[in-house]
Formats: sequence, C-alpha cells, structure tokens
Amino acid sequence: DGGITQSPKYLFRKEGQNVTLSCEQNLNHDAMYWYRQDPGQGLRLIYYSQIVNDFQKGDIAEGYSVSREKKESFPLTVTSAQKNPTAFYLCASSATMGWGSYEQYFGPGTRLTVT
Amino acid sequence: GQNIDQPTEMTATEGAIVQINCTYQTSGFNGLFWYQQHAGEAPTFLSYNVLDGLEEKGRFSSFLSRSKGYSYLLLKELQMKDSASYLCAVMDSNYQLIWGAGTKLIIKP
Repeated sequence: DGGITQSPKYLFRKEGQNVTLSCEQNLNHDAMYWYRQDPGQGLRLIYYSQIVNDFQKGDIAEGYSVSREKKESFPLTVTSAQKNPTAFYLCASSATMGWGSYEQYFGPGTRLTVT
Repeated sequence: GQNIDQPTEMTATEGAIVQINCTYQTSGFNGLFWYQQHAGEAPTFLSYNVLDGLEEKGRFSSFLSRSKGYSYLLLKELQMKDSASYLCAVMDSNYQLIWGAGTKLIIKP
C-alpha cells in the first residue's frame, strides 16, 4: 500500500532538547511538505521540498530544520530555538508542485509536547 | 495579506443537507481544495475546483466563484461519520496552499 508514514505518533520532550520527526513516503512523489497545526488555526507551512537535496522555507521556518537526502524521506528537526514547539505536526507529499490538481497526501501526524 | 475565512463550527441533523462556506483573498489563484479531517487524524482530500461552477462527487459537491472569492462544500444525506472538520485551502501564485482554520461539523441524530 502506498502512503506516508510519520513516527512516532506522540512525542514528549523537555525544553531545550532538539527532536527529529520522521516522514517517509512510497508514493514516488517529488514534493514534500511539513505543516504545523494549532487549535483554531489553519495549517501553517514550515518547510517544503520540490526535489531531492533542495528545500525552501515556509511561513514559519524559524526554529526548525529539514533535510532531503532521499526522495522518500523528509525529516524535520525541532530545535531548542523554536519558542513554542508543542503542536500537531503533519507531513504531506504531492506528485509535483505546480499547476494542476496536485492534491497533497498527508501522513497521520506527530503530536509533540514539550515541557 | 492572504486570508481564508470559514465558520468555526456548524451543527446539522443526520440525513439533512449542510453547506459550508469559504471566502478567500489570496495573492493569485491556482485552485481551491476541500479536505476532511477527523479529530487527531490527517486531512484527506475531498475536492478541487479551479474553474467556476459546481463539481459533484457522490454525496459531496463543491462550488467555486472566482469573481466573488467564494466557495462552498455541500454535504447531502448526512451520516454520523461526517462529523469532522472541513478545511478550505487555496493554492496561491507560488503554488503553496493557504489554509483556513477549518469548520467543525457536528452531526446530531
């Protein structure tokens, strides 16, 4: 079955620690995305990547970092510089990024709690 | 700035019809998406509109008016499993999705 996996589903960390969220897809999609979802707000784009070894900052990239060394994988690191990291993190992918009905497919999400 | 507006919450009765509205102001327009999201789960794709008019897909239909910056999602023959949040998103001139905060739909028996 093709899809996107994220692990773990729940993650707890102490303030000051970096944490890496994994995202893997076997849909052969070129584009991948990381979003953050907070109660009462729309999804906000953290980073996106249109191709291997290339990625771009989204609207709220400060305190986050990513890598795209393989087409299938797009891990997100939440660093200690992120001031309010507790949130629901969603990874998504699409066939490409451009004109057309290129809907994004989402992973199950990781709920990160930092105390 | 870019803005997507949709009602925060709506309530409807099982078997009835409900219309969820979405208005948008974005820098450019490359299509409008509707997603369904059950609590604690990932959003799943429902529909895509890029031209004006109505797109029907089973019990769900989506309408777009680009001149008015307006869309709606119409759900017919409501079922309890339709209780979820419905997210409106617009693809802007940079092909990035701008998301509304979502409409929580509560279905009552």
